[in-house]
Amino acid sequence: GQQVMQIPQYQHVQEGEDFTTYCNSSTTLSNIQWYKQRPGGHPVFLIQLVKSGEVKKQKRLTFQFGEAKKNSSLHITATQTTDVGTYFCAGLNTGTASKLTFGTGTRLQVTL
Amino acid sequence: NAGVTQTPKFQVLKTGQSMTLQCAQDMNHNSMYWYRQDPGMGLRLIYYSASEGTTDKGEVPNGYNVSRLNKREFSLRLESAAPSQTSVYFCASSHPGQRIWDNQPQHFGDGTRLSIL
Repeated sequence: GQQVMQIPQYQHVQEGEDFTTYCNSSTTLSNIQWYKQRPGGHPVFLIQLVKSGEVKKQKRLTFQFGEAKKNSSLHITATQTTDVGTYFCAGLNTGTASKLTFGTGTRLQVTL
Repeated sequence: NAGVTQTPKFQVLKTGQSMTLQCAQDMNHNSMYWYRQDPGMGLRLIYYSASEGTTDKGEVPNGYNVSRLNKREFSLRLESAAPSQTSVYFCASSHPGQRIWDNQPQHFGDGTRLSIL
């Protein structure tokens, strides 16, 4: 079955440093979504990428979808303590209508 | 606007007991999902319902059953709980996309933290 892996599993940065998490799928994806889960909370939708090579920005967050539509990345510039949480990618595989496969997640810790 | 409501929030069971986790959404979404979340394993799909009256197995359906009672409600039942089912369970809902590649965001409930002794 489809597998979606994320690296790193965990990253600890000092406030102001940049952070990147990478998402890799074993199969070609129709689209990819990114979610953020605060400690003790539930996943919250951030963004969806659909086109090959697509890049989207949300303030300090930059999302990319690979040319082959098998990988994606999330980059945070100048992290803040409010960025703490676990970031998940979730891929939609062609033929699995509405059924997302979530990545393993990257837990981000930010300290002052 | 409540969104997705899950009950209960916490539950402790003994091995072999049964229970039903409840989920209701007020966003008029067609699709609903049940996930379990375990440390280091992300979210794994247990069952989903693309629309009222239909249910399908996800990645880890063994030991669970579901009922899509109506458009609003989607329940998850553990018939005979096992320690391996200790987890955090999330219900989610979404609209289906207009096209196969245009999936809509999933909205999650606050989760049920379930411990089985």
